[in-house]
Amino acid sequence: DIQMTQSPPSLSASLGDKVTITCQASQNINKYIAWYQQKPGKAPRLLIRYTSTLESGTPSRFSGSGSGRDYSFSISNVESEDIASYYCLQYDNLPWTFGGGTKLELK
Amino acid sequence: QVQLKESGPGLVQPSETLSLTCTVSGFSLTSYSVSWVRQPSGKGPEWMGRMWYDGDTAYNSALKSRLSISRDTSKNQVFLKMNSLQTDDTGTYYCTRDRVLFDYWGQGVMVTVSS
Repeated sequence: DIQMTQSPPSLSASLGDKVTITCQASQNINKYIAWYQQKPGKAPRLLIRYTSTLESGTPSRFSGSGSGRDYSFSISNVESEDIASYYCLQYDNLPWTFGGGTKLELK
Repeated sequence: QVQLKESGPGLVQPSETLSLTCTVSGFSLTSYSVSWVRQPSGKGPEWMGRMWYDGDTAYNSALKSRLSISRDTSKNQVFLKMNSLQTDDTGTYYCTRDRVLFDYWGQGVMVTVSS
């Protein structure tokens, strides 16, 4: 199974900051990475697919990049509604596997 | 609109079998696949298995020996059965519409394994 190592586990940011989360796969995943947002008590919400393609309704302040084994997800100009946990997901090889998550908090 | 809803017991005894139902609306089970994803509290989600739109199944190898997924298309329902539950199976269980990625999710059902 492909392991997804996500960092940092937690992140503290001020409103308006830019934050970046990284995921490293245990092998090349050919850009098949997605990013989910999860708020407390809610199901995850798909934000980005195939490294950098924003889902309909995802604000443009969210972005993704990367290739091979290394990927990143960024939020520019953090807003209060962005306070949540974020997870990467590789879907290159079964079983699809998630990263351990990053909890974004307000400083 | 697309909706999924999980139902099942919130408490299961160790070594017993978990049975969950996912009832869907707004799409056909013969056109879309459905996956089950679980999430221990405070941890990342884990893909458990998939009911393909054509009736085939795929399972996470870590769970395959304990897990079974089936469906009743006439009732728009997908079923999960997992046996030999242990305390580390405690968590929230979700069913999701699966178009390679999980685009719609149910609200989840919290399952606690405890005596």
